[in-house]
Amino acid sequence: SYELTQPLSVSVALGQTARITCGGNNIGSKIVHWYQQKPGQAPVLVIYRDSNRPSGIPERFSGSNSGNTATLTISRAQAGDEADYYCQVWDTSTNWVFGGGTKLTVL
Amino acid sequence: QVQLVESGGGVVQPGGSLRLSCAASGFTFSSYGMYWVRQAPGKGLEWVAFIRYDGSNKYYADSVKGRFTISRDYSKNTLYLQMNSLRAEDTAVYYCAKERGGMYFDYWGQGTLVTVSS
Repeated sequence: SYELTQPLSVSVALGQTARITCGGNNIGSKIVHWYQQKPGQAPVLVIYRDSNRPSGIPERFSGSNSGNTATLTISRAQAGDEADYYCQVWDTSTNWVFGGGTKLTVL
Repeated sequence: QVQLVESGGGVVQPGGSLRLSCAASGFTFSSYGMYWVRQAPGKGLEWVAFIRYDGSNKYYADSVKGRFTISRDYSKNTLYLQMNSLRAEDTAVYYCAKERGGMYFDYWGQGTLVTVSS
C-alpha cells in the first residue's frame, strides 16, 4: 500500500514562509492535492494537481512536487493560516490516500 | 454554489446499523462521482467509499469493505452510506465530498458525527 508522510507540526513566524512537506515513494510520479482544515470545520481544497489554486485561494499558497517529496508553500504567513494541512494522492493499490496531516502554527 | 449537507449521524451500539445521507445542490449531481471520508476524533482524514457518477462502480476502503454500502438517488440528489456491523473504531465525523477528475475532493460537506458506543 502507498503511504504519505507529513511532519506532525510546522511553525512559522508571522509574515514569513512556511513549507509543509509530504513524502512518498516516487511521489513526483503522482499527482498531489492539498487541503486545509481549521478546527471544527470541514477540509478545504487549497492546491490541486500539484500546483494549481482553486478560485478564492490566495496566491500566497503554492505547491510543488518532485522526486520523493511534495511541498506546500505558504508565503507571507498570516494568523488565519493556522490549520491542519493534509496532502492526498490517488494510487492504483490504495485508491485515495491522505497524509497524516501537519499542524501549522503561526508565531 | 455547491452545497453538501450530511445528516443521519448519532450514537449507535456496537454491531448496530446507521444510514447517513448527503443532500447535494448547486451542481449537476448526475455528472460527478461522490465520496465519503471520515475523521476519527483527533485523527487525520481517511477515505471510506467512492461511487462513480453513473453508479456503475463503487470502491471501499479495506477497513469498511463488506460492512458499508455507498449508493445514490438521482431523483433526490442524495448520496447515502449504509453502515452495518458498526465497531468502536468507526466512531468519526463522516464527510461527503464531490469528486473532481476522479482524483480529488473539491467540495466537502460540514460532516456528521457517528459514535459507536455501548
